[in-house]
This record gives sequence, C-alpha cells and structure tokens, in this order.
Amino acid sequence: EAGVVQSPRYKIIEKKQPVAFWCNPISGHNTLYWYLQNLGQGPELLIRYENEEAVDDSQLPKDRFSAERLKGVDSTLKIQPAELGDSAVYLCASSLAGQGAIEQYFGPGTRLTVT
Amino acid sequence: DQQVKQNSPSLSVQEGRISILNCDYTNSMFDYFLWYKKYPAEGPTFLISISSIKDKNEDGRFTVFLNKSAKHLSLHIVPSQPGDSAVYFCAASAAGNTPLVFGKGTRLSVIA
Repeated sequence: EAGVVQSPRYKIIEKKQPVAFWCNPISGHNTLYWYLQNLGQGPELLIRYENEEAVDDSQLPKDRFSAERLKGVDSTLKIQPAELGDSAVYLCASSLAGQGAIEQYFGPGTRLTVT
Repeated sequence: DQQVKQNSPSLSVQEGRISILNCDYTNSMFDYFLWYKKYPAEGPTFLISISSIKDKNEDGRFTVFLNKSAKHLSLHIVPSQPGDSAVYFCAASAAGNTPLVFGKGTRLSVIA
C-alpha cells in the first residue's frame, strides 16, 4: 500500500514569492493534516481536514497561508507571499477517523527554503 | 507553554544495551500517547502507542510505559541496534481523532 505522497520534496524560493505544496493521503484515509516542523522542534498542526471540510485551522496564518481539499482526497497548501520565517519542513499526514486508534501516517515532507 | 516535553535532546547508547527515552506532559486531558521515529529527510514513522487505560504496551523490542499520576511516559528499546539511531518524538492526543501535540524530540545514537 502506498504511503502519504508529498511533492515537491524540496523548494527554494525568494521572499515575497508564492509557493504551493501538494499531498496525496493514504487511500481511504478521510482525515488529512498539514503540519509545520521547524528545526529542532516537533511538528505543529496547521490545519486538519475531515473529508473536504477544514475542521481545525486555528493555527493557520490566514493572512498568507491557504489550503484546500476540494474532493476530499488530495490537498494543496499555499503560501503567498512567502517570508524568510516560513523556511521549514511542511509535513502532511493522514488517518482513519472513528477507528479507535488514532495513529497518523506522515509523508516525507517538503523542505522549504525562503531566501 | 509546552504541553509535551522531552527534556533530553540527545541520548547515546551502546549496541545491545537498553535505550530509555522519556517524555512528560502537562495536559491531564491527554488520553492517548504515541511515539514516532524520524530518520533524516523522511517523515515521522509511527512506532508504538498507549492508551491511558493501560500502563504498558509492548511490541517486539519496543515497550512504552505510562505513569498517569506522574504524567510521564517512557519508551524502552531492548536490545538497541544501530538502525535505531534516529530522532524519537513523543506525541499526545486529548481524545478521538484530534491533532497530536508533539515534543521536541530526542536524538538517539546507538553506537556499535
């Protein structure tokens, strides 16, 4: 079974430019998460989707960040415009809701460098 | 305020010996705890979990212990192998399919 797929794996952009990250969760997983991981820190949640609905986006900086999961499968996270402080790894994870166990399965991440 | 704390940034253990990674939490609403392992340039990989109704869960070389009164859990790896060298994250959840709260991680180095 394929795991969580993310692309690109690496992205280097200049500040003030836009950038987008893509995630395809594990087949059948209806819950999708975007996390931000800074160097030396654990992942921190940005947004959580249940199917196509964003049920927790309280940590998403909405002035520059946006996300969508139009058909309840794959998802895109966008930053516009990017700032130097956005340099980090952006992780996507997925899980099955209502299964008791709440393990989340992570993709490899996209490492963003803003110069 | 950090709700999940891993106070040891790094740990070095000889191959074959026991590795003990510790994690403390402050939120008494947490009722499910997980350990993830992360290799460089990869996403975190689920390792083992424990529900608050248990105090121990074992899976092969990996055992997680939970002390609810102390709000403390630990991951034991016996015997440690060089392939176990990675960053280990402790994570906790309040209930159901809610977001995980992660610690900062502990880098384990297993020396052959």
